[in-house]
Amino acid sequence: EAGVAQSPRYKIIEKRQSVAFWCNPISGHATLYWYQQILGQGPKLLIQFQNNGVVDDSQLPKDRFSAERLKGVDSTLKIQPAKLEDSAVYLCASSFQEYLSGNTIYFGEGSWLTVV
Amino acid sequence: GNSVTQMEGPVTLSEEAFLTINCTYTATGYPSLFWYVQYPGEGLQLLLKATKADDKGSNKGFEATYRKETTSFHLEKGSVQVSDSAVYFCALSGNTGKLIFGQGTTLQVKP
Repeated sequence: EAGVAQSPRYKIIEKRQSVAFWCNPISGHATLYWYQQILGQGPKLLIQFQNNGVVDDSQLPKDRFSAERLKGVDSTLKIQPAKLEDSAVYLCASSFQEYLSGNTIYFGEGSWLTVV
Repeated sequence: GNSVTQMEGPVTLSEEAFLTINCTYTATGYPSLFWYVQYPGEGLQLLLKATKADDKGSNKGFEATYRKETTSFHLEKGSVQVSDSAVYFCALSGNTGKLIFGQGTTLQVKP
């Protein structure tokens, strides 16, 4: 079974530029998550989708971050304009079901962003 | 709100030593508890989980028991190997399914 695919793996941009990350979840997984992991910290949820609807985006900095999941499959996370503090690993994850405590969530390898 | 606290690292052990990484949580209701591992340059992988009180999760020689009375989920392994060197994250999920992570504990095992 193919895992969660993410691209690009690495990206270096200057502050105030824009960047987009792409994610393809595991086939059949209805729930998709984007997490931000700053160096030395645990991942923090940015946004959670159920199919193509947003379930939780309470911690997404909406003035600069946006995400979409068209057709309930692939997803794109965009940052515009980027700030230095956005340097982090952006993790995409998926799970078969939502609203189920104990549900296993599968993570991609992450997209490493450095803002200079 | 829900939160997870892990012991600070790094933890440095010699090969074949006993490992304990402490994890405590604060949560409403009855969360599920997880340990994820992140090897250098790789993504997060589920190591083990427990979904109710007194459950024991186990995998690859690692174990953790869901202790509701002490709100803990400590990770243990009887004999660590160099290949266990990684960052370990404790996490919980409530009824929305999303994971809340601790800050991670780096384990370094020396031959």
